[in-house]
Amino acid sequence: QKEVEQDPGPLSVPEGAIVSLNCTYSNSAFQYFMWYRQYSRKGPELLMYTYSSGNKEDGRFTAQVDKSSKYISLFIRDSQPSDSATYLCAMSKEDKLIFGTGTRLQVFP
Amino acid sequence: GAVVSQHPSRVICKSGTSVKIECRSLDFQATTMFWYRQFPKQSLMLMATSNEGSKATYEQGVEKDKFLINHASLTLSTLTVTSAHPEDSSFYICSASYGLNQPQHFGDGTRLSIL
Repeated sequence: QKEVEQDPGPLSVPEGAIVSLNCTYSNSAFQYFMWYRQYSRKGPELLMYTYSSGNKEDGRFTAQVDKSSKYISLFIRDSQPSDSATYLCAMSKEDKLIFGTGTRLQVFP
Repeated sequence: GAVVSQHPSRVICKSGTSVKIECRSLDFQATTMFWYRQFPKQSLMLMATSNEGSKATYEQGVEKDKFLINHASLTLSTLTVTSAHPEDSSFYICSASYGLNQPQHFGDGTRLSIL
């Protein structure tokens, strides 16, 4: 079993939709949780960084962490074609990041 | 803030050549830098972790003599792929962090193609 599980997609939604991206994990030692966005042929860009259970909002993005269920989510409101990318969840353990496989998102006009 | 610059973005060279990739943190001091490899449609695989002024820590299965890492200052780390062969062709990405439990910020990667 992988330490971090993420549905690879692809996920295709119309512009304006609410997108829900999820990851589950097995190791309760993970302390910090991140979401990165990666466009094709580019490095990952940090979107959200959280360390406690609950919600954190930044513009159209909301990150949710449920440590009791070992489950994290990223919600994107009013999705735009420019949001089309691969979204990677990541969790830190002893300063190393463990990544999910990434979910490819396509937002069509 | 937290900008990481990686250079070059693309390298194409002959088998047997050594290739150096630079990673710079432009607006912060990076106590730790990381080097990753990413295959098409796969996630990032950590190759090594480097702290300024000390030897890099390599992940299991990564050859330290093949992938030389130098972290000479708080803003610069380099990865040298020595005597590169076609199987070393990949997308190499660096990241930098400015402290324990701080998030990693990534460069834009280097696409390496060995002919």
